[in-house]
Amino acid sequence: GQNIDQPTEMTATEGAIVQINCTYQTSGFNGLFWYQQHAGEAPTFLSYNVLDGLEEKGRFSSFLSRSKGYSYLLLKELQMKDSASYLCAAKDSNYQLIWGAGTKLIIKP
Amino acid sequence: GAVVSQHPSRVICKSGTSVKIECRSLDFQATTMFWYRQFPKQSLMLMATSNEGSKATYEQGVEKDKFLINHASLTLSTLTVTSAHPEDSSFYICSAAQPLDTGELFFGEGSRLTVL
Repeated sequence: GQNIDQPTEMTATEGAIVQINCTYQTSGFNGLFWYQQHAGEAPTFLSYNVLDGLEEKGRFSSFLSRSKGYSYLLLKELQMKDSASYLCAAKDSNYQLIWGAGTKLIIKP
Repeated sequence: GAVVSQHPSRVICKSGTSVKIECRSLDFQATTMFWYRQFPKQSLMLMATSNEGSKATYEQGVEKDKFLINHASLTLSTLTVTSAHPEDSSFYICSAAQPLDTGELFFGEGSRLTVL
């Protein structure tokens, strides 16, 4: 079956760095997405990886290894507003998005 | 980025009534829109894929007669929850992808439905 695994919850300190991991098993692969979702709001797009390697976008970076079925989202210089759930989603051979359950990130002062 | 607007953001209704939620792509044409449901502390659950001019494709376990989807134009899809019951209370989110794009989904603001 198809599956996305990511930690349920993580805690980090303001100003620090945190890495949220995601492993996926899908029927075919057409890209890996990361979304941020604040409580009670719709998800917002953070990143898209389809080739191996690191994509950097400001304080956020996303990494993909297709051979390992693995991705991570790296958040630097954490701010309190980064407290949110981070959703990993992989697109399968039918271009359907398979969603992870999300990682709730708690930022402490 | 592209904008998707969803309305209403919150709705409270009595059990047995029907509720319509609208999803509009404001600055692009969306031949396909997606409807999700999200229960508290859970991930997004795809309910159905809405295709302009044709019948929606429902995910397994989603009752098509209960969740009516209409995609009458390239910028509007509607979800009608018919004969709503308290267990239908949830956060409903629509999304659309720009054609010829990476496939990035743009989400509406979401609609929180509470059925009394």
